[in-house]
Amino acid sequence: KAGVTQTPRYLIKTRGQQVTLSCSPISGHRSVSWYQQTPGQGLQFLFEYFSETQRNKGNFPGRFSGRQFSNSRSEMNVSTLELGDSALYLCASWVRDNEQFFGPGTRLTVL
Amino acid sequence: GQNIDQPTEMTATEGAIVQINCTYQTSGFNGLFWYQQHAGEAPTFLSYNVLDGLEEKGRFSSFLSRSKGYSYLLLKELQMKDSASYLCAVNRGSTLGRLYFGRGTQLTVWP
Repeated sequence: KAGVTQTPRYLIKTRGQQVTLSCSPISGHRSVSWYQQTPGQGLQFLFEYFSETQRNKGNFPGRFSGRQFSNSRSEMNVSTLELGDSALYLCASWVRDNEQFFGPGTRLTVL
Repeated sequence: GQNIDQPTEMTATEGAIVQINCTYQTSGFNGLFWYQQHAGEAPTFLSYNVLDGLEEKGRFSSFLSRSKGYSYLLLKELQMKDSASYLCAVNRGSTLGRLYFGRGTQLTVWP
């Protein structure tokens, strides 16, 4: 069974640009969460989606948005990029109440 | 904040036993995860505790005391490949989608 996949794996952007990251959960998983990981702040929650509905949103500015499609794939978008948005963006999916699987992440660098 | 505390760094030698502690605020607690993360890779699931007591999985065990807001991860028969960051994460919601992570404990295993 394929794991959680994320594309692209690496991305370099400049300040002011926008970026879209994609996540495909494990087949059969309908729940997806996004996290931002930085050396200074660690892993911080961004969004949670289930059946195309956002169930939870973390404490990030409105420049961060996301959505989920009917096939459970999810995207997140960051507009007007800032240097501080440089991070590893991780997507996780689950179906049972005791295991959550992370994708390899997208490493975003903002110059 | 969520005040999930764990030591920043630990070192141990091959074959030894190491215990990584995690303390957290008990309000709204609904389960605790441990993840392992090697440098440059995604976190991988190790254990999930929702009830008090010890859960054992091969060389790894995890303990939870809900009343004390305390958990530990016990790693036995350490191997070089166990060198990694170990993340404690608390669930406070009705779903698993929103986890609050500690900053991680960087474990180095020496030969």
